Order: sequence, then structure tokens, then C-alpha cells
Amino acid sequence: DTGVSQNPRHKITKRGQNVTFRCDPISEHNRLYWYRQTLGQGPEFLTYFQNEAQLEKSRLLSDRFSAERPKGSFSTLEIQRTEQGDSAMYLCASSLRQGMSETQYFGPGTRLLVL
Amino acid sequence: DQQVKQNSPSLSVQEGRISILNCDYTNSMFDYFLWYKKYPAEGPTFLISISSIKDKNEDGRFTVFLNKSAKHLSLHIVPSQPGDSAVYFCAAPVPGSSNTGKLIFGQGTTLQVKP
Repeated sequence: DTGVSQNPRHKITKRGQNVTFRCDPISEHNRLYWYRQTLGQGPEFLTYFQNEAQLEKSRLLSDRFSAERPKGSFSTLEIQRTEQGDSAMYLCASSLRQGMSETQYFGPGTRLLVL
Repeated sequence: DQQVKQNSPSLSVQEGRISILNCDYTNSMFDYFLWYKKYPAEGPTFLISISSIKDKNEDGRFTVFLNKSAKHLSLHIVPSQPGDSAVYFCAAPVPGSSNTGKLIFGQGTTLQVKP
């Protein structure tokens, strides 16, 4: 299967702990996105990479959040000093821009529960 | 104001009938729209898209209609099948974000197709 993969699928942690999620995009895709989804809402944009460069970060992304894509392939999203409000589904998507249109393909997500 | 709205949180239809899911947007600068389907505990799956230069796009049982003057789009599923039961999101790249492609999503509509 050559889709977007995310690990772990589920994470339960205690408040104050650090967590790290990994995303492996579709191999030929140069764009990678992180979104967060809470219950009853659509996904909300967090950050975007083109190759290894992080080109945009949402104001939703506090300084406790950091994302990397060191070699332009997989990406990691780290949350430091987790808070209960961080509990959500974290989604990764990748795309290959072609002309004026672009379709993002999502991974299965990592569901985070902060106790 | 850049919003994508799905005002119906849920929809129930009988198998074999037509399902119509609606989406409204506030900014006439939106020029590309996507529909995603999401099953529980999975990431969104791309379904169909439409560019603002068109008013209709069809793919098998799925058709998306775009009414630019009304800032409204709809997804038609004909005939509906029980396996179509899922949450449906409409999404659009934020205008002016042609370099990033970040998407803004509606809140989602839960479709239930009854056998």
C-alpha cells in the first residue's frame, strides 16, 4: 500500500508529558500538511511543508508544538508539556501540486488522549 | 471572512435513493472545492473535486454541482448504498494560499443510508 501512513494510531498520555507522532507521505509527494480534528468539527490546518521547508504555521500551533521534515520525506509532530486541550485526532496529508489544482491525501490519523 | 459551512449535521436516506449534501462558502475567491468522506477512526478519503470554471463534475455515482452566484455546492450520491454511510466534508484551499494549498473544511455532515 502506498498511501499516507501515520504512527502511532493511538496515544494516551498524562498531562505534562511530551509526545511525538510520525507521518510517512506518499513517496512522490513534495507537500506535507498537518491538521487537527476535534469532535464534531472538520480538520483544522496546523502546518505545511514543501520538501523539507516548513513554509507556514497556523496560529493554532502554540510554541509547545514543533514539526519537522528533515529530509523532505517523513515528518514528525512533537507536542511538549501536553495539556488536556491537546486531545484530538492529528491528521497528516500529502500532495503533489499539478497545475492549479491539488488534491491532498490523508493518513489514518493519530488519536491523542491527554489525561 | 473565509468560511466553508455545512449547515446540516446529519442526513438519513433510504438505500437506492438520492443523497444530497450541501455546502456554502462565504468568499467568492474560493476557486476549487473538494469533498472528502470519513469513516470512524480513519482519515478523510478524497471523493471528488470541482474547479470554479465548471458547474458540474461527475464520477460514477457521485456528482458535485457548483453554483457560484449562490456560493453553494452540493454532492449528489445516486443511488445511495449502505456503505456510503460516513461523515462527508467539503473543503476548499484558502484563497490567496496558492503557494501552500492549505484547506479549510466545513463541519461535516453525517450520512446514514438505511437498507
